[in-house]
Amino acid sequence: DAKTTQPNSMESNEEEPVHLPCNHSTISGTDYIHWYRQLPSQGPEYVIHGLTSNVNNRMASLAIAEDRKSSTLILHRATLRDAAVYYCILSETTSGTYKYIFGTGTRLKVLA
Amino acid sequence: EPEVTQTPSHQVTQMGQEVILRCVPISNHLYFYWYRQILGQKVEFLVSFYNNEISEKSEIFDDQFSVERPDGSNFTLKIRSTKLEDSAMYFCASSEARSLQPQHFGDGTRLSIL
Repeated sequence: DAKTTQPNSMESNEEEPVHLPCNHSTISGTDYIHWYRQLPSQGPEYVIHGLTSNVNNRMASLAIAEDRKSSTLILHRATLRDAAVYYCILSETTSGTYKYIFGTGTRLKVLA
Repeated sequence: EPEVTQTPSHQVTQMGQEVILRCVPISNHLYFYWYRQILGQKVEFLVSFYNNEISEKSEIFDDQFSVERPDGSNFTLKIRSTKLEDSAMYFCASSEARSLQPQHFGDGTRLSIL
């Protein structure tokens, strides 16, 4: 089962920052934290990932708690195109390849 | 930007028939995956593939499923004797390496079993 917990849904106003939380209290030392989003009728799209340090890229920022038991995806200025289901995923392996275990994610609604 | 492509986008098949879903991963990627998503449900891992063999498979991936990389560019998922409950979106993904690099997903094949 998914090892992450996220709110089912969130709303944001357009042009405002959005903070999407994720709890992963059972994370192991080698688990990476990945964020993906899924727009309607599309496959999951990579957003950002990290291990211990905060990360920034052109899409978003990832803030990782010092104990790594939680993380927050930050969209700095939400647009209508950011409306999607956002998944926080811990990659895990038992064989050398890393499978993703998806949870139910957070459905983000962006209000114009 | 290179992307994972999947064909067909929609496949309709009679129950009991065999179906092959096709994927072209990103060209320099070494690790390949299939996932499925039943309508309204979570994305579920099916199988991972590396070095021409299955690395890991889930409980869903039973004897009716098989994967193959027939020609160095395509990656296929075959479902023998399809069942109604096989109706779902099937996503292919690929990655350059293991945890350091993300998996890139295609837009999926919608499989409808009648």
